[in-house]
Amino acid sequence: AQSVAQPEDQVNVAEGNPLTVKCTYSVSGNPYLFWYVQYPNRGLQFLLKYITGDNLVKGSYGFEAEFNKSQTSFHLKKPSALVSDSALYFCAVRDMGPKTSYDKVIFGPGTSLSVIP
Amino acid sequence: NAGVTQTPKFRVLKTGQSMTLLCAQDMNHEYMYWYRQDPGMGLRLIHYSVGEGTTAKGEVPDGYNVSRLKKQNFLLGLESAAPSQTSVYFCASSSQTDPLEDQPQHFGDGTRLSIL
Repeated sequence: AQSVAQPEDQVNVAEGNPLTVKCTYSVSGNPYLFWYVQYPNRGLQFLLKYITGDNLVKGSYGFEAEFNKSQTSFHLKKPSALVSDSALYFCAVRDMGPKTSYDKVIFGPGTSLSVIP
Repeated sequence: NAGVTQTPKFRVLKTGQSMTLLCAQDMNHEYMYWYRQDPGMGLRLIHYSVGEGTTAKGEVPDGYNVSRLKKQNFLLGLESAAPSQTSVYFCASSSQTDPLEDQPQHFGDGTRLSIL
């Protein structure tokens, strides 16, 4: 069965430092991978996606993510964190295997990012 | 530019009461989804629809029903509310899945539902 893990409930980083939010996945077919961000009392907003091609994908607000097939990971990164990046981050996967799987996107449990001034 | 609109935004119910949550999207999207968000558990898919008149079960469908009579609307019903259904409910929509160009989901701002 497809699944997504985000091993850290909370990530704290000082403003200006690089940040990484970790994600690993398990699917039966090829993965389509996504990162979303959620600000308080709002719905999720799309940040970036990996479908195929370059393993490093760039997205909104200076975020990027690196796809690593051998480690089944898709970590979110940013070179220099801002206080305004503080939010809840969700990794998600669509399993492009069986038809019964690829209609659905599975979300990880979320990681709360706090950027400290 | 409304996107995905959920009504109501807040609701308090008593155990056993019924209610319907409405989701409307103005982007002509084929796919629509209902999720619930609980602390530490992320988003869990309740039901989804791949087109008008079609619905399918997600990860946690028990106690919920859905209908997609019009392409732009996706309704989530609770027939007999239970305290375990206290949660934040999110609706999302996306354009039809293309294996070569997957479109992201667009989310509403949620409905906060408390069952006493």
